[in-house]
Amino acid sequence: NAGVTQTPKFRVLKTGQSMTLLCAQDMNHEYMYWYRQDPGMGLRLIHYSVGEGTTAKGEVPDGYNVSRLKKQNFLLGLESAAPSQTSVYFCASSQNSAGPGNTIYFGEGSWLTVV
Amino acid sequence: AQSVTQLGSHVSVSEGALVLLRCNYSSSVPPYLFWYVQYPNQGLQLLLKYTTGATLVKGINGFEAEFKKSETSFHLTKPSAHMSDAAEYFCAVRSGGTSYGKLTFGQGTILTVHP
Repeated sequence: NAGVTQTPKFRVLKTGQSMTLLCAQDMNHEYMYWYRQDPGMGLRLIHYSVGEGTTAKGEVPDGYNVSRLKKQNFLLGLESAAPSQTSVYFCASSQNSAGPGNTIYFGEGSWLTVV
Repeated sequence: AQSVTQLGSHVSVSEGALVLLRCNYSSSVPPYLFWYVQYPNQGLQLLLKYTTGATLVKGINGFEAEFKKSETSFHLTKPSAHMSDAAEYFCAVRSGGTSYGKLTFGQGTILTVHP
């Protein structure tokens, strides 16, 4: 019962480096999301996907790109990391938005530090 | 548009005392409301959710919340705090329609329980 799995869990990057965070879910969910968590700001939506091959911008998309080539995977990319992207990143998934209150399941987070 | 405000970024209670974490929301459509808990260095765990029906919702670990439409509130309570309840708590709202089920989070409330 893996649920939502994020890799890597911890990473330190230098300013300007690139990296990709991988999110995998084994629940056959249609919807997937990437959030970032910063102190005092809760979680903010970066990008989301409503199905394989689709992506859309969330609240704070600048500096990030995403891809959903396979239904079970949702990748978050940082092309040129900046210190402002130091954060904890959470991936989430849900079955779809039609049902009232379909539960959104979260991964355990990826701690990213940009120096 | 939807938003969530959690009143009080830090709440401190004694073990055995009542826990009350406040959440107010705004939503242009009937909301689905959630409380998540995050223990240190871990992901988010769903405590409880309100979708439709009974306005008093019971969750895990003895927590409950009451949806009050007239007050646009969804406060979280627990009659008797345990040391293990120390964590950060997030209130979130989710709307259907074209919002694609995205969650909007409050800023979080850190609960401290002292002996």
